[in-house]
Amino acid sequence: EVQLVESGGGLVQPGGSLRLSCAASGFTFSTYEMNWVRQAPGKGLEWVAYISSSGGLMYYADSVKGRFTISRDNAKNSLYLQMNSLRAEDTAVYYCARTYVRLRGYYFDSWGQGTLVTVSS
Amino acid sequence: DIPMTQSPSSLSASVGDRVTITCRASQSMGTSVNWYQQKPGKAPKVLIYATSSLESGVPSRFSGSGSGTNFTLTISSLQYEDFATYYCQQSYSSLRGFGQGTKLEIK
Repeated sequence: EVQLVESGGGLVQPGGSLRLSCAASGFTFSTYEMNWVRQAPGKGLEWVAYISSSGGLMYYADSVKGRFTISRDNAKNSLYLQMNSLRAEDTAVYYCARTYVRLRGYYFDSWGQGTLVTVSS
Repeated sequence: DIPMTQSPSSLSASVGDRVTITCRASQSMGTSVNWYQQKPGKAPKVLIYATSSLESGVPSRFSGSGSGTNFTLTISSLQYEDFATYYCQQSYSSLRGFGQGTKLEIK
């Protein structure tokens, strides 16, 4: 069974840093592209970042570019999101999500339960 | 990013109704649009990928159509478990953004 378990969320002051982790199991992690998606309280989904299966290619939403860094450790079956210069508007539940690629396209087929990040003084 | 505009933002309907949600892109997406369902406190779940392909295990009352810039998700006969929030997502560009969501409520 595919499992994605996020951790590392919590309360942080504006301008602070936090590192989220996502532990993957039940599949060959090193062969899948991964993503972070967030959801502010009462708001919609916002894609945050993408990383290729090897870790050599990353993309970011404009809202986090230059502040957040996505990375992975395939030997540890883990995905990370380093968040720096945090702002109040970064407050959200952060999900890791696996990309599933089919001939006709790709989509996010497996999601973690989410970890809450609260940026407040 | 390529903005995806969903409408309506909310919708009230009754069990048994046929419901359509629309997603419009600012540029052509081909057929690269997915649809997700999210219930309160839960992670999203994919329903439809590549505009019209039904994900395994998803009831056949869900269907998708469209191409280019206009896409629709249709639920042919609403069931109680379908009351949730629905999101479209573009998988055309590398920045894989979501629409704003449509909250489907019981009338």
